[in-house]
Amino acid sequence: DAGVIQSPRHEVTEMGQEVTLRCKPISGHDYLFWYRQTMMRGLELLIYFNNNVPIDDSGMPEDRFSAKMPNASFSTLKIQPSEPRDSAVYFCASSPRHTSKGYTFGSGTRLTVV
Amino acid sequence: KNQVEQSPQSLIILEGKNCTLQCNYTVSPFSNLRWYKQDTGRGPVSLTIMTFSENTKSNGRYTATLDADTKQSSLHITASQLSDSASYICVVSAGDDKIIFGKGTRLHILP
Repeated sequence: DAGVIQSPRHEVTEMGQEVTLRCKPISGHDYLFWYRQTMMRGLELLIYFNNNVPIDDSGMPEDRFSAKMPNASFSTLKIQPSEPRDSAVYFCASSPRHTSKGYTFGSGTRLTVV
Repeated sequence: KNQVEQSPQSLIILEGKNCTLQCNYTVSPFSNLRWYKQDTGRGPVSLTIMTFSENTKSNGRYTATLDADTKQSSLHITASQLSDSASYICVVSAGDDKIIFGKGTRLHILP
């Protein structure tokens, strides 16, 4: 298995532009998580899905952020419009049916908004 | 309030030395505790996972302990290597599928 695959690895965009981050979870994993990591705040859970259904989006900072999971093998996190304070590393992770089995993280997307 | 506090924030040791990282949590109801290693520019990778009944778990040179009474965990690294330089993140799961991350300890191993 190739693990959790995220794209792009790096994204530099201008303030106000739309940004779309992509994630392919491990096949058979029922849970998918989007995290944001900054030096100041560490890892923060933004949203997670169970069987493609959003379960908890309380971590999504504001309406500029949206996430979708149209099928079991693909998810997107969109920021529109982007702002400099959105600059961070965004991680996608997936896990099997029960979260006690542990998570597998992707390599992350480093987003820089200038 | 569910919280996970890690200490120290950063640590520098010489190659070959041992070190211990600490994690204190106030999470209820407790489900499990995990230690992750995150190399620079990479995603976190799981080292150990411990449930309420487990006191010690080892993974090579890494040994994690858990005291459920005092709500403390430690990660002990034996005979450190340069490749151990990374951030180590303590993650606690609550019974209702809440996941609480510590901010991590940044470990630097010097040759």
